Amino acid sequence: EAGVTQFPSHSVIEKGQTVTLRCDPISGHDNLYWYRRVMGKEIKFLLHFVKESKQDESGMPNNRFLAERTGGTYSTLKVQPAELEDSGVYFCASSLAGLANEQFFGPGTRLTVL
Amino acid sequence: QKEVEQNSGPLSVPEGAIASLNCTYSDRGSQSFFWYRQYSGKSPELIMSIYSNGDKEDGRFTAQLNKASQYVSLLIRDSQPSDSATYLCAVNIYTGGFKTIFGAGTRLFVKA
Repeated sequence: EAGVTQFPSHSVIEKGQTVTLRCDPISGHDNLYWYRRVMGKEIKFLLHFVKESKQDESGMPNNRFLAERTGGTYSTLKVQPAELEDSGVYFCASSLAGLANEQFFGPGTRLTVL
Repeated sequence: QKEVEQNSGPLSVPEGAIASLNCTYSDRGSQSFFWYRQYSGKSPELIMSIYSNGDKEDGRFTAQLNKASQYVSLLIRDSQPSDSATYLCAVNIYTGGFKTIFGAGTRLFVKA
C-alpha cells in the first residue's frame, strides 16, 4: 500500500511569488491534514479536511494560504504571495474516518522563500 | 503555557535501559493521544496511540495516560541505538473536525 505522497519535495521561490504544494493521501483515507514546521519550532496544525470539506481551518496563518481538496482525493495548498516567514517544511497527513484518527505523514515539502 | 509540553532533552540512556518520555497537555477536552518518532530530516512516524486512562503496551513501547493529571508518557524498554530520535507527543482535540496539537519533542540518545 502506497503511503502519503507530497510534491514537490523542495521548492525555492522568491518573495511575492506563488507556490502550490500537493498531497496525495493513502487510498481510502477520508481525513487529510496540513501542518507546517518552521525552523526550531514545533509542528503546527493548519487545517483538516474530511473528504472535500474543511472541518477545521483554524490554523491557517492568513488569507495568503488556500487549501483545496476537490473531489475528496488529493489536496493542494497554495501560498500567494509568498513571504519570507512562510519558509519551513509543510507536512500532509491522512487517516481513516472515525475518532481513532491515527495519522500517517507524508515526507514533507521544504519551502524556502528568498 | 503551551498546549502540549515536553522536556526538550536531550535524554541520554545506555543501550538496554528504559527510556521514559513525558508530556503534559492543557486542554481537558483532548480525546486521543499519540506518540510519534521523528528521525532527523524525516517525517513523523506514528508509534503509539492511546485513548483511555491506563497503560497500553506494544512490543518494547508502553504508553501511559492519566487524564485527571493531563499527563501522557512513553516508556521504551531495552532501548537500542536505533531508537535515537526525537519523540513527539500529539493531542487531538475535537472541534467539529480534529485539531492535532504537537509538542516540541524530546530528543533521545541511546548510547551503545
